[in-house]
Amino acid sequence: DTGVSQDPRHKITKRGQNVTFRCDPISEHNRLYWYRQTLGQGPEFLTYFQNEAQLEKSRLLSDRFSAERPKGSFSTLEIQRTEQGDSAMYLCASSLIDGNQPQHFGDGTRLSIL
Amino acid sequence: ILNVEQSPQSLHVQEGDSTNFTCSFPSSNFYALHWYRWETAKSPEALFVMTLNGDEKKKGRISATLNTKEGYSYLYIKGSQPEDSATYLCAFLSNFGNEKLTFGTGTRLTIIP
Repeated sequence: DTGVSQDPRHKITKRGQNVTFRCDPISEHNRLYWYRQTLGQGPEFLTYFQNEAQLEKSRLLSDRFSAERPKGSFSTLEIQRTEQGDSAMYLCASSLIDGNQPQHFGDGTRLSIL
Repeated sequence: ILNVEQSPQSLHVQEGDSTNFTCSFPSSNFYALHWYRWETAKSPEALFVMTLNGDEKKKGRISATLNTKEGYSYLYIKGSQPEDSATYLCAFLSNFGNEKLTFGTGTRLTIIP
């Protein structure tokens, strides 16, 4: 069990640039989640996938944000035309299909917009 | 909008002392309550998933209780150790079927050696 891995760990970019993050879940997990966490707040749900299907998207996920999980394995989160308010920790988690199971988190990608 | 609150926001505890903190959540549409520990520069680690009213779970020196009728859960740490220093997050899962965890803002625990 190699755990959930996220890449990169840190990303610094200028406002207006596009960024893409990657998440590799635990291999046998069907569900994959993206969260955003800002200072002093708990993680906020962005979206989740069951296999390759994106089943739920938060209102927080503006049209600049897009997430994919093309083969039901790894996932990418892209932010287009980044704004300073996008600066946050982006967390990925995965779990089995069972509401009684915990989610397993990666170390996150910290995004800083200059 | 689901409201999940944790108190206190932060806590300093002497090594060896016991402590507890609270998570309050909606008392309706309950499905599960998760607890996670998040140490600095690491990933959040699952502690407990609680589903039944009156449930009590234990993992080493850490235990948690659940009251779904009044909408609260307590996390207890017995004999605090420096490695317990972390932010403790609770998260509410409703029975709406959307698998969306709503997190509280966390309790930041610092153990003083």
